[in-house]
Amino acid sequence: GAVVSQHPSWVICKSGTSVKIECRSLDFQATTMFWYRQFPKQSLMLMATSNEGSKATYEQGVEKDKFLINHASLTLSTLTVTSAHPEDSSFYICSATPLASYDEQYFGPGTRLTVT
Amino acid sequence: EDQVTQSPEALRLQEGESSSLNCSYTVSGLRGLFWYRQDPGKGPEFLFTLYSAGEEKEKERLKATLTKKESFLHITAPKPEDSATYLCAVRRQAGTALIFGKGTTLSVSS
Repeated sequence: GAVVSQHPSWVICKSGTSVKIECRSLDFQATTMFWYRQFPKQSLMLMATSNEGSKATYEQGVEKDKFLINHASLTLSTLTVTSAHPEDSSFYICSATPLASYDEQYFGPGTRLTVT
Repeated sequence: EDQVTQSPEALRLQEGESSSLNCSYTVSGLRGLFWYRQDPGKGPEFLFTLYSAGEEKEKERLKATLTKKESFLHITAPKPEDSATYLCAVRRQAGTALIFGKGTTLSVSS
């Protein structure tokens, strides 16, 4: 089956620093990747849609200058949390839609971010 | 506005006690209803995609069905390893993001 990886799986950073999270589709190409955020015992909330070679589309209420998304290739998208604050602590999950099958969507294992 | 509502929020079953999880939805132009399983601290694991009313799909002890307004995930003779949060999501068109419900947390005790 299609595999999506994320790195790192968990990260602790100090308030005011930036952290980058990578999302890779390992065995398929993905023109579109999505970034979600999940708070404890809550469902996944879409943050942004990332298309290879173009600017990301952010959901209402998501600060594009704070959550920088880059989708430089068909297998890699990155999310950079800039000037992180404790309220940014969350579980960040990416997903990818295969180029060959727009109806499918596979999720990465998630990245736990803790800002101290 | 597109909306997905799952019930119950939590469900406790004894091993072997079959039950169903409900997902009701309102979306204009449904292009897929998805079921995922999520274990604590992990990303969602794909289970099924359903596209049209009347469609059914099965995988081991799980069976998903779809009507024009809701979907059911039937769990037959569950085992403790079926304990997880089950997420339902819809999509309006291919290639776009999924809209998730809040999930049903299933606990199966032996």
